[in-house]
Amino acid sequence: DTGVSQDPRHKITKRGQNVTFRCDPISEHNRLYWYRQTLGQGPEFLTYFQNEAQLEKSRLLSDRFSAERPKGSFSTLEIQRTEQGDSAMYLCASSRDGAPYEQYFGPGTRLTVT
Amino acid sequence: AQSVAQPEDQVNVAEGNPLTVKCTYSVSGNPYLFWYVQYPNRGLQFLLKYITGDNLVKGSYGFEAEFNKSQTSFHLKKPSALVSDSALYFCAVSPGSGGYQKVTFGTGTKLQVIP
Repeated sequence: DTGVSQDPRHKITKRGQNVTFRCDPISEHNRLYWYRQTLGQGPEFLTYFQNEAQLEKSRLLSDRFSAERPKGSFSTLEIQRTEQGDSAMYLCASSRDGAPYEQYFGPGTRLTVT
Repeated sequence: AQSVAQPEDQVNVAEGNPLTVKCTYSVSGNPYLFWYVQYPNRGLQFLLKYITGDNLVKGSYGFEAEFNKSQTSFHLKKPSALVSDSALYFCAVSPGSGGYQKVTFGTGTKLQVIP
């Protein structure tokens, strides 16, 4: 069990640039979740996939955000035209179908928008 | 909409003493409740869950939590704290009906166990 991995771990970008993050879930996990966490707050749900299907998107996920999981394995989260308010830790988690609430989290990608 | 309140930003406890980290929730219907722990520079780890059944649930690392429906609480407890328990603890809730529904996390409580 290699755990959930995320790449990059840190990203500094200028306002207006596009960024893309990658998440590799635990191999046997069908479900994959994206969260955003800001300082002093708990993780906030963004979206989740069951296999390659994106089943729910939060209202937090504006039109500038898009997530994909094309082959039901790894997932990408893209933010277009970044804003300073996008600065946060972006967390990915995965779980088995039979235990969707037992989520295994990755280390996160810390985004800083200057 | 569901919500979770963790009224204490930080809890300090002496090693060997019992610890309690408080959580109250608001959700429609019967809740699914969870505790996660975040150690420094590591991802969140699942500790325990309440879905149904006994109000006292046991989880990893000797932690347990008690579901109290009348008080809408789900406090995390451990009989004897260890220095290695020092971490950030998150309570979370989901409506838990009609298939998977998103999990809402609290703001976290920092537990400091003093040697």
